[in-house]
Amino acid sequence: DAGVIQSPRHEVTEMGQEVTLRCKPISGHNSLFWYRQTMMRGLELLIYFNNNVPIDDSGMPEDRFSAKMPNASFSTLKIQPSEPRDSAVYFCASRLAGGDTQYFGPGTRLTVL
Amino acid sequence: GENVEQHPSTLSVQEGDSAVIKCTYSDSASNYFPWYKQELGKGPQLIIDIRSNVGEKKDQRIAVTLNKTAKHFSLHITETQPEDSAVYFCAAKNNNAGNMLTFGGGTRLMVKP
Repeated sequence: DAGVIQSPRHEVTEMGQEVTLRCKPISGHNSLFWYRQTMMRGLELLIYFNNNVPIDDSGMPEDRFSAKMPNASFSTLKIQPSEPRDSAVYFCASRLAGGDTQYFGPGTRLTVL
Repeated sequence: GENVEQHPSTLSVQEGDSAVIKCTYSDSASNYFPWYKQELGKGPQLIIDIRSNVGEKKDQRIAVTLNKTAKHFSLHITETQPEDSAVYFCAAKNNNAGNMLTFGGGTRLMVKP
């Protein structure tokens, strides 16, 4: 089992640039979560998909953030334009239908200069 | 919505001693309480969980207790080892609130050899 796969693992970009983070959930899982982790705010849920449909995006901080899940095996989180305060580790997690446990990927460390 | 408080934020113990981390939650309808361990540079990994119909669960050196009346749950690690050093997160889930996890702020555990 490959687990949740995220890419890239590290991203350094300049303010104003577009950033796209990618996630491949565990095969067979039908729920996908995007989190942001910072020292100040801890783990924050950004958006949650169920069967590829966004269920709750109340955690998405601004219109600069958008997320898509075009199919059951792929999701993206896009920031456009990026700002220094977006610097954080972004995690993707997936969950089996009817289950409780979320399985986290290794994260993408984003640095916006 | 749910609010999860976690204490202490940092904990230093000597190898072989026990460590206890405590969490409180606000929503009495929450019914699932996982604990995650996050090592440096990695995503959170589930180490143990407990459901609201159980008061205690044990897995080798790790145990979790739940007091539904007081709305608090605790993680107990006995015979700590240096490899237990990590950040630990508690979480709570309420099936009636979008089936999402609400995380505590994390505890950095340091086990000194």
